[in-house]
Amino acid sequence: GAGVSQSPSNKVTEKGKDVELRCDPISGHTALYWYRQSLGQGLEFLIYFQGNSAPDKSGLPSDRFSAERTGGSVSTLTIQRTQQEDSAVYLCASREGQPMGYTFGSGTRLTVV
Amino acid sequence: TQLLEQSPQFLSIQEGENLTVYCNSSSVFSSLQWYRQEPGEGPVLLVTVVTGGEVKKLKRLTFQFGDARKDSSLHITAAQPGDTGLYLCATQKWLASNTGKLIFGQGTTLQVKP
Repeated sequence: GAGVSQSPSNKVTEKGKDVELRCDPISGHTALYWYRQSLGQGLEFLIYFQGNSAPDKSGLPSDRFSAERTGGSVSTLTIQRTQQEDSAVYLCASREGQPMGYTFGSGTRLTVV
Repeated sequence: TQLLEQSPQFLSIQEGENLTVYCNSSSVFSSLQWYRQEPGEGPVLLVTVVTGGEVKKLKRLTFQFGDARKDSSLHITAAQPGDTGLYLCATQKWLASNTGKLIFGQGTTLQVKP
């Protein structure tokens, strides 16, 4: 596709359940990022994938959060045993190369009830 | 501690007014980006500034990078309701692998009333 695609666009889940969020980056973009955004706030970095390199997981808030990127393309962010404080918009971005050129998806709005 | 401090956090003005949003830091940056985000969408890149003292114009928007490359401003002339949104500044944090990740400020929420 022409842009970064994220699914689902909205997810409501019960506290304690696991959720998976999906990101389809722009074809050919080697770098993929996950960010989290609370209402009306800036973006909090979560994790970064670059080609075949080990991902930068320094932003993951706890071990309940994990992410994979299969075949250098699609990425899945998994949150286990969700808590109410996990409620936020989760944004994915991809980038072709240096230095800039980030393209963001529309995000997944996660609500934990 | 925020690497980038944006001010003001909220701004509500009437159509036709001018406004300025600031992005400040104690660190020197090689470059800085400004994004605009509308409800339900991801941020969209407006501009990248790389040279100290640089001024870039995008229609009614004027972006400036401080001489010391520690701060930036976004000035909007004759604001319109379509300018409503969340304005974010961001900079690259370079890693040892010579790749980078974007670090964002907290954002400025702008509301322009007709």
